[in-house]
Amino acid sequence: TQLLEQSPQFLSIQEGENLTVYCNSSSVFSSLQWYRQEPGEGPVLLVTVVTGGEVKKLKRLTFQFGDARKDSSLHITAAQTGDTGLYLCAGSSGSARQLTFGSGTQLTVLP
Amino acid sequence: EAGVVQSPRYKIIEKKQPVAFWCNPISGHNTLYWYLQNLGQGPELLIRYENEEAVDDSQLPKDRFSAERLKGVDSTLKIQPAELGDSAVYLCASSGTGLNTEAFFGQGTRLTVV
Repeated sequence: TQLLEQSPQFLSIQEGENLTVYCNSSSVFSSLQWYRQEPGEGPVLLVTVVTGGEVKKLKRLTFQFGDARKDSSLHITAAQTGDTGLYLCAGSSGSARQLTFGSGTQLTVLP
Repeated sequence: EAGVVQSPRYKIIEKKQPVAFWCNPISGHNTLYWYLQNLGQGPELLIRYENEEAVDDSQLPKDRFSAERLKGVDSTLKIQPAELGDSAVYLCASSGTGLNTEAFFGQGTRLTVV
């Protein structure tokens, strides 16, 4: 079983601060996705990274895939209260659409 | 376009009773997933279908859980009998063809076993 560990598990910050969430594994993934989930809803895809070393930006969010495709990070600049939610990384490997989720990071941005 | 539809949204049952969840994936999506999610944690895969075939059910507790996807469209997940530890959110997701495709999730069914 491929495991994805996320850190930190919980993060509470003030609006305007920056933060980074990490997703680590001992396994190699063909792609890695980041999702955001709000209470009472299912996860919603933010980004997919597929190339080692790849960096993608989505407004104030910056996603990076590790060179060895075993880890990833999500950096949020100038966090807003609307960024509050559960952030999940999910890895896919091989030719199958097998999607394994990380343990999640619960982010709370305080006004 | 309608998203993934799950029902019911909430279910409260007594332990040892049976329960069933239903999922209607996005039209044309061949891959269907059932996940279990505990509060504040990541979803854990129970079973994955490619069309009507269950291609990954290694994490499905087969002594009490069963699933089917007749005709490769809608799917049902059943628990019989339910245990207190089964209380969780059950998420259904679907994805289209090709690698690295996005999984679209339903709102989930929150099950409480008392």
